[in-house]
Amino acid sequence: DSGVTQTPKHLITATGQRVTLRCSPRSGDLSVYWYQQSLDQGLQFLIQYYNGEERAKGNILERFSAQQFPDLHSELNLSSLELGDSALYFCASSSISGANVLTFGAGSRLTVL
Amino acid sequence: GENVEQHPSTLSVQEGDSAVIKCTYSDSASNYFPWYKQELGKGPQLIIDIRSNVGEKKDQRIAVTLNKTAKHFSLHITETQPEDSAVYFCAASSPGSARQLTFGSGTQLTVLP
Repeated sequence: DSGVTQTPKHLITATGQRVTLRCSPRSGDLSVYWYQQSLDQGLQFLIQYYNGEERAKGNILERFSAQQFPDLHSELNLSSLELGDSALYFCASSSISGANVLTFGAGSRLTVL
Repeated sequence: GENVEQHPSTLSVQEGDSAVIKCTYSDSASNYFPWYKQELGKGPQLIIDIRSNVGEKKDQRIAVTLNKTAKHFSLHITETQPEDSAVYFCAASSPGSARQLTFGSGTQLTVLP
């Protein structure tokens, strides 16, 4: 157990729907990162939060949004889902914003039918 | 931004042999290079990392080398065991406000008994 908790583990939904993925970082970690892992594109950085504030954006679609709450857990919201959004979504945490050492959760597997 | 290329995409070795995975990066300012191991159904787990002020680092059967001039780094696994079978990702830290990791495309390592 890495200490980073992601829910749900699996999610199946239909095109056009909206889902929310949840992440609780390791105890004491202030920074949360979201990554998307699809078969043909490896691990793609989506977005990072540090202590409730957005710090960096990667290849995140406008249909996707995220936030980090005062208790430091984070949610990734995916809307108007398309077949191509099917992927593993990983959350990772680190102790400080500029720290490179990331601890990953087990991921949430999203299947869009 | 940073671009990381990883080779080979698949690698099969006999148990007890060595395995080498190579990565190149594009941003000469990158200064942190971790390697992650991802087992089936799990999130990536950090196995070793190296910073740009070091040329080589070893941890038991695993070693990483870095050539800053050529902008490439490699993972070496000696005396491979079946439990080493997994997908291995290299990554590089791109300088910036959040210094998020850019990952290579992954190498599926299979250790044959």
